[in-house]
Amino acid sequence: ETGVTQTPRHLVMGMTNKKSLKCEQHLGHNAMYWYKQSAKKPLELMFVYSLEERVENNSVPSRFSPECPNSSHLFLHLHTLQPEDSALYLCASSQDSGTGPYEQYFGPGTRLTVT
Amino acid sequence: TQLLEQSPQFLSIQEGENLTVYCNSSSVFSSLQWYRQEPGEGPVLLVTVVTGGEVKKLKRLTFQFGDARKDSSLHITAAQPGDTGLYLCAGARMDSSYKLIFGSGTRLLVRP
Repeated sequence: ETGVTQTPRHLVMGMTNKKSLKCEQHLGHNAMYWYKQSAKKPLELMFVYSLEERVENNSVPSRFSPECPNSSHLFLHLHTLQPEDSALYLCASSQDSGTGPYEQYFGPGTRLTVT
Repeated sequence: TQLLEQSPQFLSIQEGENLTVYCNSSSVFSSLQWYRQEPGEGPVLLVTVVTGGEVKKLKRLTFQFGDARKDSSLHITAAQPGDTGLYLCAGARMDSSYKLIFGSGTRLLVRP
């Protein structure tokens, strides 16, 4: 419905696993974002890609590795996560035209639980 | 560090009542967006305000951007149970409009 899809919707992984989150946008946008949403904390911006180049990396631990192969797809590769990484991971997209406002459209999120 | 403070954090009201949610900052934003998020879903964009003093209406929802573009409010008239959710405000930085600063949210429950 929002034009941004995320898979899987739920993921449970152990601390030694490797998994990937996928995001796809069908809105023709040229910028994509990963956010982390934890209970009782504001949304935290993790990564921003504009025109497939990473333009923002907010001091995110290296156990999170983003990949943006084209303007419609965004991945977040996960490995050796910690229990405190359990959260809702949200993907968003926007059209970066050089002038604002850049309205962001969100996917439904992946609920990640690290055991 | 730019912060957006939302108040109240929680609000539980009866159907038919009116309410106002506030979003305040000491920083100036180039634009401000309001989102509503339901459990297990991502935030859904409700409105974007750009001009200081701007007022936008979306059915029973009225959004206002402060004259100085540092604050905003969301007023809901005759709240319905379908209005239940987490309301988030997000300001776009003056130096980088693609980066939004999010408030911590107002969780609204409208009881039938």
